[in-house]
Amino acid sequence: EDQVTQSPEALRLQEGESSSLNCSYTVSGLRGLFWYRQDPGKGPEFLFTLYSAGEEKEKERLKATLTKKESFLHITAPKPEDSATYLCAVQAAGAQKLVFGQGTRLTINP
Amino acid sequence: NAGVTQTPKFRVLKTGQSMTLLCAQDMNHEYMYWYRQDPGMGLRLIHYSVGEGTTAKGEVPDGYNVSRLKKQNFLLGLESAAPSQTSVYFCASSLGQRNSPLHFGNGTRLTVT
Repeated sequence: EDQVTQSPEALRLQEGESSSLNCSYTVSGLRGLFWYRQDPGKGPEFLFTLYSAGEEKEKERLKATLTKKESFLHITAPKPEDSATYLCAVQAAGAQKLVFGQGTRLTINP
Repeated sequence: NAGVTQTPKFRVLKTGQSMTLLCAQDMNHEYMYWYRQDPGMGLRLIHYSVGEGTTAKGEVPDGYNVSRLKKQNFLLGLESAAPSQTSVYFCASSLGQRNSPLHFGNGTRLTVT
């Protein structure tokens, strides 16, 4: 069974304090790993897709990396507007659906 | 270009009542999905559709039915609501091509008393 576990559940940082969020996964052949951002009262918003181990993608203060067992979302010098819940999801080879983790709730204090 | 639109945004039902949630997308996407989101459980797939006239079961399909009569619309029905169906429901769509991302609506918050 495909599984995704995210850690920590919640993380509080000061503005400018860099950190990383973890997404561990088990899947029968990875087709893609996705990162989403979700603001309160909104639907998830797509950030990145990673396809194979060693791949990295960047967007503003966010960088996502991928290994064979986990993915990291690195946040560099975060700002209060980066506060949100970050979701990780995997798609197995041959599957039409995504399996989501429970998310990490990130709070950046000014 | 509105993306994915869900109606209604909020609804309160009594146990045993029925209702339909509507999802509409204007991106000409082939695939559409219904998820529910509960605290501590993450997003769980209820049903999905890979094209007009098709539907398939996800992880938690019991108590729900769906229809995809038109490509742009995906309906989620609750025939006899139960308190366990209290949740936030999200619709999503995608192109259906390899690794195409999901685009989500802003959700329907349903409370069943």
